[in-house]
Amino acid sequence: EVHLLESGGGLAQPGGSLRLSCVASGFTFSNYVMSWVRQAPGKGLEWLSALGGSDGSTYYADSVKGRFTISRDNSRNTLYLQMNRLRAEDTAIYYCARLYSGFCTKTSCLDWFDPWGQGTLVTVSS
Amino acid sequence: DIVMTQSPDSLAVSLGERATINCKSSQSLFYSPNNKNYLAWYQQKPGQSPKLLIYWASTRESGVPDRFSGSGSGTDFTLTISSLQAEDVAVYYCQQYYTTPPLTFGGGTKVEIK
Repeated sequence: EVHLLESGGGLAQPGGSLRLSCVASGFTFSNYVMSWVRQAPGKGLEWLSALGGSDGSTYYADSVKGRFTISRDNSRNTLYLQMNRLRAEDTAIYYCARLYSGFCTKTSCLDWFDPWGQGTLVTVSS
Repeated sequence: DIVMTQSPDSLAVSLGERATINCKSSQSLFYSPNNKNYLAWYQQKPGQSPKLLIYWASTRESGVPDRFSGSGSGTDFTLTISSLQAEDVAVYYCQQYYTTPPLTFGGGTKVEIK
């Protein structure tokens, strides 16, 4: 069974840092693009970042570019999100998700998310 | 960026009745070389993470009940629950993957029991 388990959430000060982890199981991790999506309290879904399985291609939303860094360790089946210069508006549940890819248009090769982890809550507050 | 707009924001439907959720994209999601619409639907039940229901606008994910169906093409799409069950209470999101990054979601539609 495919499973994703996030950890690393918690309380951070504005301007501070946190690193989230997502451990994957049940599939060949290195074969898949992986992604982070967040959901602010009572709000909708916001895609943040994605990372290719073995080619190292990275993608970021403008809202986190330059502050957040996505990485992975394929030997540990683990995806990471290093979050720096945190702001109050970064408060959210952060989900790890496997991202299907390869059905390319002229402007995209990233597809749909399946499955999703259970999420980890990040609260940015003084 | 492609903007996804869902309507209504919420709806209440009686058990066994039909629920219809709309999703409109700011640009066409139809790719003519492969004749596919680059749109997915997700279900998020209270307190849970999202779950993939449909991709290619109308292809149900394995294990998804056939009361869920997706339709539409170009810029206008619909998710229909043909006979609402109690376990279908959730927020439903559409997502485009025609032009990325960014991958973009609709604002969500909350489905409740009347």
